[in-house]
Amino acid sequence: AQKVTQAQTEISVVEKEDVTLDCVYETRDTTYYLFWYKQPPSGELVFLIRRNSFDEQNEISGRYSWNFQKSTSSFNFTITASQVVDSAVYFCALRINAGNMLTFGGGTRLMVKP
Amino acid sequence: DTGVSQNPRHKITKRGQNVTFRCDPISEHNRLYWYRQTLGQGPEFLTYFQNEAQLEKSRLLSDRFSAERPKGSFSTLEIQRTEQGDSAMYLCASSPIRRGDRDEQFFGPGTRLTVL
Repeated sequence: AQKVTQAQTEISVVEKEDVTLDCVYETRDTTYYLFWYKQPPSGELVFLIRRNSFDEQNEISGRYSWNFQKSTSSFNFTITASQVVDSAVYFCALRINAGNMLTFGGGTRLMVKP
Repeated sequence: DTGVSQNPRHKITKRGQNVTFRCDPISEHNRLYWYRQTLGQGPEFLTYFQNEAQLEKSRLLSDRFSAERPKGSFSTLEIQRTEQGDSAMYLCASSPIRRGDRDEQFFGPGTRLTVL
């Protein structure tokens, strides 16, 4: 069975601070995919990134960056120079290669204060 | 709007009543998923369709729940004899058939169910 743990339930930062959201996953499969989704107050989950288990190269997209480390089964997400609009709940998710369902973590609520 | 749409957005019902939700996926997405999200939790998988075939069901999907996807287009999720524990946000997602890296799931806005 798969499991995703987001130990930080809530984080509060002041605008322009950097913040890292942690994600730890468990799976016995060697081929799997990791995702991050953002859920703003409107409720709709917005896809941010997908990584496969064979690609440990870190990725940067604007103020967002992701650090994938198989050795520690972690896929952490960093927002640089946070903005109020980044306030949302962020979910990490896992899908094994043979499956179709996403297994989500419990989410981290990020509050960015002006 | 070419995203996933769900109707209704909100539903309030009394315990014991039946409710039905509808999901319209992104056109040409042949895969459709239903998830349930309770307050403060991450979404939990319920069921998955590829075209009109229901290929996977979670143990969370009790006998009171049924999902259909006639003709492989829109999908409906029905809950019979609703219970207060059914109160949640029901999310629908769709994805194209896997071609390389393009298989991420796109989510709709959800239907929030409140059972009184």
